[in-house]
Amino acid sequence: DAGVTQSPTHLIKTRGQHVTLRCSPISGHKSVSWYQQVLGQGPQFIFQYYEKEERGRGNFPDRFSARQFPNYSSELNVNALLLGDSALYLCASSLLGNRDYGYTFGSGTRLTVV
Amino acid sequence: AQTVTQSQPEMSVQEAETVTLSCTYDTSENNYYLFWYKQPPSRQMILVIRQEAYKQQNATENRFSVNFQKAAKSFSLKISDSQLGDTAMYFCAFMRSTGSYQLTFGKGTKLSVIP
Repeated sequence: DAGVTQSPTHLIKTRGQHVTLRCSPISGHKSVSWYQQVLGQGPQFIFQYYEKEERGRGNFPDRFSARQFPNYSSELNVNALLLGDSALYLCASSLLGNRDYGYTFGSGTRLTVV
Repeated sequence: AQTVTQSQPEMSVQEAETVTLSCTYDTSENNYYLFWYKQPPSRQMILVIRQEAYKQQNATENRFSVNFQKAAKSFSLKISDSQLGDTAMYFCAFMRSTGSYQLTFGKGTKLSVIP
């Protein structure tokens, strides 16, 4: 089975632009979460989605938004990019209801804002 | 709010030796889940081991084991017979047992295994 896939793997954007990152969960996983990992830090929670509904939101500005599609794939959108948005964006999928399972992560999208 | 602290930014260990990575956390909840994730240069976060707080027995997975001290809010990872492939960032993470499935991570420990 394919793991969690994310696209693109690398991206360079200019300040003020908009970006869309994509994630396909493991087959059968209905929950998708997004994390931001700034260089040298641990991942920070951005969003969790389950069955197309937002189930959790971290402490991020409204410039960050996400959605989940009927096939459980997900998009993370960031508007009005700032230099500080440069980071590795990780997507993770899970079988909701199995907390001890944790999450399976993708390899991330490296976003550089110049 | 929960916090996770990893006090060792970097560690090194000789191949085949044993190393212990430290993690402490702060929570007011009685039941929760704790995880250790490994992040090699490939960037993918890989689950190493997990522990549910109500289970007193320490979790083990092959060469990896934890020392879970609930009262002290401590969750250390022991890696035995260290291998070159163990070189990576290691993150300790916390998840509540109710509500959001959010993982709260520490800042990580960079482990280098020396041949």
